[in-house]
Amino acid sequence: DSGVTQTPKHLITATGQRVTLRCSPRSGDLSVYWYQQSLDQGLQFLIQYYNGEERAKGNILERFSAQQFPDLHSELNLSSLELGDSALYFCASSAQGASSPLHFGNGTRLTVT
Amino acid sequence: GESVGLHLPTLSVQEGDNSIINCAYSNSASDYFIWYKQESGKGPQFIIDIRSNMDKRQGQRVTVLLNKTVKHLSLQIAATQPGDSAVYFCAETGDSGGGADGLTFGKGTHLIIQP
Repeated sequence: DSGVTQTPKHLITATGQRVTLRCSPRSGDLSVYWYQQSLDQGLQFLIQYYNGEERAKGNILERFSAQQFPDLHSELNLSSLELGDSALYFCASSAQGASSPLHFGNGTRLTVT
Repeated sequence: GESVGLHLPTLSVQEGDNSIINCAYSNSASDYFIWYKQESGKGPQFIIDIRSNMDKRQGQRVTVLLNKTVKHLSLQIAATQPGDSAVYFCAETGDSGGGADGLTFGKGTHLIIQP
């Protein structure tokens, strides 16, 4: 068990809808990362927060947004969903930034129909 | 752009043999590398890491080798067991669009253990 908790485990929704994915980092970790995993793209970095502030952006669409709250949990919001957004979404946390391993949750499987 | 990739998408080994999974990276500025194991239905699990000031690091049944000259990384698993069946990813610190701390992952090697 990595100590990173993600909810829900599965999410099925229709195109055009909006969903929120939730992540609780390991106790004491200040950095939270979101990754998208699809069959043809592998693990793609979306965004990172550190102690409530956005720190880095990767390949995140404008339809997606995230935030990290004072209690350090994070939410990833996906809107105007398209079929191609179907994927596994992982949250990871780390104690520091670079040169520190990321610990991943077990992901949220999103299916857009 | 900078990327991290693996040489083989699938590797099949006999139970009890040693496994070697390879990874090539292109960012010469990368200074931190990690190997992850991902089992079906689970998130990537940290196995071992290595910093660029080292060329070898050993863990329990696993060894990571780093050759900075040719930008090559490998993961050696000793006495492979059925529980080692998984997809293995290498990852490195690189520019993930924000110049900060997002890891760049390769596409993964699926390790299959033959009985």
